[in-house]
Amino acid sequence: DTGVSQNPRHKITKRGQNVTFRCDPISEHNRLYWYRQTLGQGPEFLTYFQNEAQLEKSRLLSDRFSAERPKGSFSTLEIQRTEQGDSAMYLCASSLASGGGMKTQYFGPGTRLLVL
Amino acid sequence: DQQVKQNSPSLSVQEGRISILNCDYTNSMFDYFLWYKKYPAEGPTFLISISSIKDKNEDGRFTVFLNKSAKHLSLHIVPSQPGDSAVYFCAASYDSGYSTLTFGKGTMLLVSP
Repeated sequence: DTGVSQNPRHKITKRGQNVTFRCDPISEHNRLYWYRQTLGQGPEFLTYFQNEAQLEKSRLLSDRFSAERPKGSFSTLEIQRTEQGDSAMYLCASSLASGGGMKTQYFGPGTRLLVL
Repeated sequence: DQQVKQNSPSLSVQEGRISILNCDYTNSMFDYFLWYKKYPAEGPTFLISISSIKDKNEDGRFTVFLNKSAKHLSLHIVPSQPGDSAVYFCAASYDSGYSTLTFGKGTMLLVSP
């Protein structure tokens, strides 16, 4: 399977704990995005990388959130001191930002986080 | 302020008929529009897209129409099948898709046999 993969698929944690999610993009894609989706809403942008550089962060990304893409391949999203409001589906997407044409983002299956 | 709006939370259609899902946007900078389909507990799956230089794009049973003057797009599914039952998200981007996506809240489509 050459699609976007995310691990773990589900995470249950207690308030105040730290959690880390991983995303492996489609292999030739140089852009990687993180989105968050809560119940009844569409996905909302959090941050994105081009290769290893983090180019944009949403105001939704509080100081407790940090994302990395150290070698320009996989990415991790860490949430420190989790709060119940962090419960959501965390989605990763990738795209190829080079060449002509429109740039379609392809999504992974998501990580469902529940903070108790 | 929601820049992409899907005003119908749900739509029910009989198998074999046409499904029409609507989407409105407010940001005139958007130049690339996409439709994604999402099943519960899965990530969005890309369906079809359209550039602002076009007014129609077809892919099999799926057709997307874009009316730039009205800032409106629609997804037509013909014929609808029970397997099409899912939540459909409209998304918009600018800079030919280089920017991040702005999503609507989704429309749940139910296709009954």
